[in-house]
Formats: sequence, C-alpha cells, structure tokens
Amino acid sequence: EPEVTQTPSHQVTQMGQEVILRCVPISNHLYFYWYRQILGQKVEFLVSFYNNEISEKSEIFDDQFSVERPDGSNFTLKIRSTKLEDSAMYFCASRPGSVAYNEQFFGPGTRLTVL
Amino acid sequence: SQKIEQNSEALNIQEGKTATLTCNYTNYSPAYLQWYRQDPGRGPVFLLLIRENEKEKRKERLKVTFDTTLKQSLFHITASQPADSATYLCALGRTGGGNKLTFGTGTQLKVEL
Repeated sequence: EPEVTQTPSHQVTQMGQEVILRCVPISNHLYFYWYRQILGQKVEFLVSFYNNEISEKSEIFDDQFSVERPDGSNFTLKIRSTKLEDSAMYFCASRPGSVAYNEQFFGPGTRLTVL
Repeated sequence: SQKIEQNSEALNIQEGKTATLTCNYTNYSPAYLQWYRQDPGRGPVFLLLIRENEKEKRKERLKVTFDTTLKQSLFHITASQPADSATYLCALGRTGGGNKLTFGTGTQLKVEL
C-alpha cells in the first residue's frame, strides 16, 4: 500500500541553524501539507501546497518557514533560523486531487530537536 | 475562535466492550470530519471520514456519527481489543482553499484484558 515517507526520522540542530525536512508524498497525490505537533499538544496545521504554490498557511508559518517541491516526488519544509520553540514532530501529509476525496494521509514524522 | 474538544481524560475500558469517544466543536462549520488514530511517536493514521450531510458511517468495528445541530461527532469501536489502545484524534475540514484540517487534542483509549 502506498505511503507517505519522511526523512530524517530525527533531526537535532543548534538554535539559529537552518534545517530542511523532507517528504515523499504518495504518488499521484496533488495536495501536500505540513503539520506540527509539539510534545503533549495537538496537531497544528502549518501550510498547504497545490499546483506548485502555497494555497493556505497558518500564523505559525512565518517568514522563517518555506516549502518547495523541487522535483516530481519530494516536498520539503525549510526552517531558516531555528528557535527552541520549533522543537516538535513535523508531519507531512498528502491528498488525492479529486474534490471527492478529502482524506489526508500522514507520514511517520520527523522529530526536530533544537538545542 | 474555533474550538474542538475531545474527552481530555483517558478512557479505560474492558476488552470486548464498546468504546465511545466524543468530539465537540464550536464556532466552526465543517464540511467533513475525520477520525485518526495516533500511536506514541507516530503519525496520525486515517480511519474514517464523514461529511456534513451524512449522519453515520461504518467500517468494520468502527462507527462514526455526525450531528451538525449539536456540533458533535461520536466515534465507536465495538468489540474493543487491547490492540485498539491508542490516542484518537478528530479533525475538521472545509472544502476550498487548502482543505486544511483542524485537530482536537485527542482522547487516549486503553483497552484492558
């Protein structure tokens, strides 16, 4: 069964450093998402991406964040200058293109630890 | 502001019983509601989706109801098993825009032998 994959599973970085989290969405899906979950808290929406552009973003997704689909398979989240409060699990999700299908399929997550 | 509430306390039930989890929301008009399962340190796993014009959906031992008047969804697991122990998340979505999901805090379910 096709699934969303994410790398790395765990990333440790120093405050102020740039990190890139990588995701391979399910093939033939057209909508891509990043969510995050701070330990013990709820899953929060960051950004959605369709047709090579951001379709919606949350207040969390400020100028320090960016997303890219550099090729036909990868979808990346970049944090330019990490802060301690960026420590969280980051989940990538994807969805088919049909409006009839709203289910989002999540990857296993990348645990980001900012020291 | 939007608020999605799930049972904040963990739910402990005996194997074989039916587990019922609730999801209440305010200041929101979702087009659909999804239930996910999340195990510790893992990503949410999609279980069921129900649309605003649907009252009930079933899949194997799972059943979800959706009452847009009460602004509530109930999620049932019948004949529960220890393997059902996990955190269950409800998530609301609207069509249009990015179709983002807004999640509740989740309810931890523990099924005991």
